[in-house]
Amino acid sequence: GDSVTQMEGPVTLSEEAFLTINCTYTATGYPSLFWYVQYPGEGLQLLLKATKADDKGSNKGFEATYRKETTSFHLEKGSVQVSDSAVYFCAPGGQGGFKTIFGAGTRLFVKA
Amino acid sequence: NAGVMQNPRHLVRRRGQEARLRCSPMKGHSHVYWYRQLPEEGLKFMVYLQKENIIDESGMPKERFSAEFPKEGPSILRIQQVVRGDSAAYFCASSPIGMRDTQYFGPGTRLTVL
Repeated sequence: GDSVTQMEGPVTLSEEAFLTINCTYTATGYPSLFWYVQYPGEGLQLLLKATKADDKGSNKGFEATYRKETTSFHLEKGSVQVSDSAVYFCAPGGQGGFKTIFGAGTRLFVKA
Repeated sequence: NAGVMQNPRHLVRRRGQEARLRCSPMKGHSHVYWYRQLPEEGLKFMVYLQKENIIDESGMPKERFSAEFPKEGPSILRIQQVVRGDSAAYFCASSPIGMRDTQYFGPGTRLTVL
C-alpha cells in the first residue's frame, strides 16, 4: 500500500543552520506531494506542495522538489529560525487523491 | 476568510459517554475529511464527506463511530460509548471542488477519555 518514510527526529539545529528533512514515499501513480507543519498545540498548516515530477514547491524559505525517479520530496531551508521549531509531515496524496498519507513526522528544534 | 473551524478544542468524556465533534469547512469548500492523530503518530484518514453524502469511510472503525455532513450546519463526527483508546486529536480538513488533494486543516479537537 501507499506509504511515506521520513527521517526520524528530533532534529536539533542552531539558528541560521541549513535544514534537510528527507522524505521518500511509495504510491500508486504519481500523486501530488505535500509538506505540512504542525506547531505545538495546533493543527496542520499546508507548507508547500508539488503536483508533478520536477516541480519545486516553496514557501517561507522552505523548498522541496518532486523527484519521480527517486520517489523523494526532501524539505530544505537555507537558514532556520527559532520560530521554525515544529513537527514537519511529508504527505503524498493517497488513494483517490484525498486519502493523504501521513508518517510520524519529524520534530525540529531550533536553538537560539 | 475564516479557516476551518472545529469545536470544541478540548473535550473530556468518561468511558461509555458520547462524544460529538464539530467541523465547519472553509467558505466555499464542499469536501470535508476527518483524520485521527494518536500521540506521537501521524494522522490517519477516517472519512470523506460531501454535503449529505459519505464518499469514503474506509478509515472509520466499524462500530461506535459515525460521521455526517448535513445540508445545513457543520460536519459532525460522533463517537458512541467512548473507550480510553479513543483518546486522540481529531482533525477536520476541507478542500474546494476539484482539489480533493489540497486539504486545509482545522486546529483539531483533543478528546480525552477518563
